[in-house]
Order: sequence, then C-alpha cells, then structure tokens
Amino acid sequence: NAGVTQTPKFQVLKTGQSMTLQCAQDMNHNSMYWYRQDPGMGLRLIYYSASEGTTDKGEVPNGYNVSRLNKREFSLRLESAAPSQTSVYFCAVVKRVNEQFFGPGTRLTVL
Amino acid sequence: AQSVTQLDSQVPVFEEAPVELRCNYSSSVSVYLFWYVQYPNQGLQLLLKYLSGSTLVKGINGFEAEFNKSQTSFHLRKPSVHISDTAEYFCAVSGSWTGANNLFFGTGTRLTVIP
Repeated sequence: NAGVTQTPKFQVLKTGQSMTLQCAQDMNHNSMYWYRQDPGMGLRLIYYSASEGTTDKGEVPNGYNVSRLNKREFSLRLESAAPSQTSVYFCAVVKRVNEQFFGPGTRLTVL
Repeated sequence: AQSVTQLDSQVPVFEEAPVELRCNYSSSVSVYLFWYVQYPNQGLQLLLKYLSGSTLVKGINGFEAEFNKSQTSFHLRKPSVHISDTAEYFCAVSGSWTGANNLFFGTGTRLTVIP
C-alpha cells in the first residue's frame, strides 16, 4: 500500500522543454490535487480534480495542464517550461473530511 | 474566501523547551483547521485537525493545538521539543461545507530545535 506516489523525484529542464509529472494513488479516493511549493509562499494550488473526468483551476494554473485519466492517476503537464516554474510539486489525495494525503514531491529545476 | 497567516517564519528553540507556533485565519464561514509538518526533503504529514467539538486538539508526536473562535486562531504547542521536531510546520484552513475540499495554506514556520 504505497498511498500516493509521484514520478520523477527530480528533474532538470531547459527553458521551453516540456514534461509531465505523474501522480498515482492506491487509496481509492475521488479527489486529487496538484500544488507547488516555493520558499516563503507555502503551498499553492495549481489544479484539482474532484472526480474522474473532471478538473478545475486552482490559484496558479497558468503554464500548466492536467489530465485525470482514471481514478488512480492525475498528471500535470508543463508544455513549455519557464524558470518561474522551478519549484517542488506535490500531489495530494483527499482522504476524508478535507484531510489531504500528500505524495513525496517532485523537485523541478528549469534552467 | 479563507486565508491563513503564520506569524513567525522561523522559530529557534532549545531542546526540551516549550514551543508555540502561531496561526491566525480569516473566514466568514465555519472552517476546518489543520496543522501539517514537513520534514526535510519529504512531503507533508498531518499533525492534527480541528473539525468540531472540543477546542483542544491533540495530535501526533506530543503536539496539540487550541481553536479559539473569538480570536480566529489555531496555535500549535508542544511542552518539550526534541531535536527530531526540527521541520517546517504549515497551518491550513478549509470550509466546512460539503464539497469544500480545498485547503488554503499559510506560508509555513520553520522550527529549529537547538541541542
């Protein structure tokens, strides 16, 4: 029972490159979230998915796209990476009564 | 809309001393309140949560927090800290109505326990 897994753990991109961050859960919960964490700014919500087939924008969606392929998986795509997207990205699953269960994170550097 | 203010960005404290990490929130409706801890290079783990009932909430690792509605605060306390408590702590709030799963996080407080 792995809970929430994220791949890759680390990634370095050049400006303009694209990549997809993967998140998978084995908790069988409907809601999944993508956050970014930057020093001094806490966690900010990028996109979320309340259930399979639905996605909604969060606080900072610009420059990102998401796909909720099935109940288990929720991916975050950067089509053309920018240095401002250097951050640590966390995926989370809503367990119950708003309690969110976080993955280990992906540390992304855009040069 | 909800928001969270963590008043201290860094808190150094000696080992075995007590600590209080402060959190204030703003909301026009009933809320749920949370404290999460993040150890270096790890994801966030839930420390404790307030949903309803007793205003004093006990969590893991000896932490507790008190919900004060009149002061809109949810401060985190521990009577005696250990080196292993060195981490970043995040206060978070969400609405208590059905479907309001979005969490709003504070900017974090870095707790450093000094030997």
